[in-house]
Amino acid sequence: EDQVTQSPEALRLQEGESSSLNCSYTVSGLRGLFWYRQDPGKGPEFLFTLYSAGEEKEKERLKATLTKKESFLHITAPKPEDSATYLCAVHPYGGSQGNLIFGKGTKLSVKP
Amino acid sequence: EPEVTQTPSHQVTQMGQEVILRCVPISNHLYFYWYRQILGQKVEFLVSFYNNEISEKSEIFDDQFSVERPDGSNFTLKIRSTKLEDSAMYFCASRGRDSTDTQYFGPGTRLTVL
Repeated sequence: EDQVTQSPEALRLQEGESSSLNCSYTVSGLRGLFWYRQDPGKGPEFLFTLYSAGEEKEKERLKATLTKKESFLHITAPKPEDSATYLCAVHPYGGSQGNLIFGKGTKLSVKP
Repeated sequence: EPEVTQTPSHQVTQMGQEVILRCVPISNHLYFYWYRQILGQKVEFLVSFYNNEISEKSEIFDDQFSVERPDGSNFTLKIRSTKLEDSAMYFCASRGRDSTDTQYFGPGTRLTVL
């Protein structure tokens, strides 16, 4: 069964304290892995798409990496406005039109 | 920047009533989706829609649910007879025909069934 597990469930950082969020996945074949940011009561906001092991994407203080079994979202020198829940989702091969399988997310809190 | 919109933002209904949730996908997108998120739980796939028909649906999407694209811009989710357990955030998403497979989500409709 295709599955996505994110860790930790919650992460508290001081402003400027860099860290990483983990997304482990089990799929029969990976067509794409997606990172989204979700603010309370809002919809997921697209951040990155990764397709193959070794691929990296960057945007401001965020960098996403991908291996054959997991993905990491690295946050460098975070600011309070980075506080949100970060969702990982996979699109496995065989899904006809791309239904995504989500993890439960990591809730990030950045204190000033 | 184009975005997915959803109405209403919050819907309160009595158990057994019908509700229709509305979405306007990004204008040149071809693939449309509904997901739901029960409070504190994962975002779950409900249904995908392409070329005016359902492409795939999950076990959650039973006979009480239906989707429709009544015109060139709207995409709706209908729940015929709501249950308490239908209370959740419902997200619409759309995807273009490009190679990125990226789905863009709307802000959601919070459905509360009393």
